[in-house]
Amino acid sequence: DTEVTQTPKHLVMGMTNKKSLKCEQHMGHRAMYWYKQKAKKPPELMFVYSYEKLSINESVPSRFSPECPNSSLLNLHLHALQPEDSALYLCASSHTQGIGFSGYTFGSGTRLTVV
Amino acid sequence: KQEVTQIPAALSVPEGENLVLNCSFTDSAIYNLQWFRQDPGKGLTSLLLIQSSQREQTSGRLNASLDKSSGRSTLYIAASQPGDSATYLCAVSASGTYKYIFGTGTRLKVLA
Repeated sequence: DTEVTQTPKHLVMGMTNKKSLKCEQHMGHRAMYWYKQKAKKPPELMFVYSYEKLSINESVPSRFSPECPNSSLLNLHLHALQPEDSALYLCASSHTQGIGFSGYTFGSGTRLTVV
Repeated sequence: KQEVTQIPAALSVPEGENLVLNCSFTDSAIYNLQWFRQDPGKGLTSLLLIQSSQREQTSGRLNASLDKSSGRSTLYIAASQPGDSATYLCAVSASGTYKYIFGTGTRLKVLA
């Protein structure tokens, strides 16, 4: 399996809703990432997990809450979002740097619309 | 702070042309550079990964080169096809970090 699977592909949520995005990989990667991408812009890093521990939080608002329950699964919990949070949310994974690092593998993303 | 720039921002070429996309970065202390393509509204597909100790990588019609000292990478696409139409992104990371910094992207359109 050489894929990163993200669900759902599309999500519409109200500003008072709570929802979660899910990301799964079975490549044995021990680093996993959440990126946010607005239209016609490059992806921006939100969070990095290394060996299931949060290693980087790019000053993301607390209405975004990441979780890494095991080495294959990464979640992003959403609560009280704003319309400006509407974007494509991308998950990626990789081996840790060193022998065997083969770059990032990205999922196909979740298109989030906040109404 | 690392900054990554891609030139041109957009490019439209007739089918069959060979073309070069450029990626420039301000801090030469990179661990690796990776090229991706992205179709509209989709995720990123990895094209080529160049480790800091390498000078180039090739995959099919694609060739990527890396010159760390000058802070530049180029992606060469041979005999372009309409299916190559997409946005091309380069990304760099520094040693000891898991932080990819993405370039601004080049939107490529290959006309049939």
